[in-house]
Amino acid sequence: NAGVTQTPKFQVLKTGQSMTLQCAQDMNHEYMSWYRQDPGMGLRLIHYSVGAGITDQGEVPNGYNVSRSTTEDFPLRLLSAAPSQTSVYFCASSYSRTNKGEQYFGPGTRLTVT
Amino acid sequence: QQQVKQSPQSLIVQKGGISIINCAYENTAFDYFPWYQQFPGKGPALLIAIRPDVSEKKEGRFTISFNKSAKQFSLHIMDSQPGDSATYFCAASIGTGNQFYFGTGTSLTVIP
Repeated sequence: NAGVTQTPKFQVLKTGQSMTLQCAQDMNHEYMSWYRQDPGMGLRLIHYSVGAGITDQGEVPNGYNVSRSTTEDFPLRLLSAAPSQTSVYFCASSYSRTNKGEQYFGPGTRLTVT
Repeated sequence: QQQVKQSPQSLIVQKGGISIINCAYENTAFDYFPWYQQFPGKGPALLIAIRPDVSEKKEGRFTISFNKSAKQFSLHIMDSQPGDSATYFCAASIGTGNQFYFGTGTSLTVIP
């Protein structure tokens, strides 16, 4: 199993550009989520999904969109990048929405918006 | 507003010593408290977790102590090793929800 994979590892965007961060898992996990990690802030939940076709907002959803058309994939879209979105983004998954603690994190995408 | 408050921000411990990281919360609906370990350039990984019906959970050198009345929980790393040098995050979640709230992290350095 590859676990949770994220692409790209690094990305530089200009203000106003859009892009999609890719996340995939091969563990047949129901629950997937996106976090951003900023110095001194810990990890903050952006969006999450409890199954294909179901998504919901987390703590900091503004400026981001998600969709979940398959169990495996959960892409995060930045519609119009802003410098405040400079961060490290982590995707995570877990087997069941009730098995909350067993979240498996991907390696992260480091995004810089200039 | 930070739902889970974590301290200290950084910690330096001698090899063989005890590392202690503390977290506090306000929301009494939280019912699951995991700790994650993160090495540089990697994603966080679950280390150990506890539910509020027990006061302590031990796994190897790692122990969570939980004080429900004080709304505090802490991670103790016994016999700390240089390989334990990492950032540690506490977190909390609510039984009926799907959201995790993380602390701000503690950077632990274990000196040989």
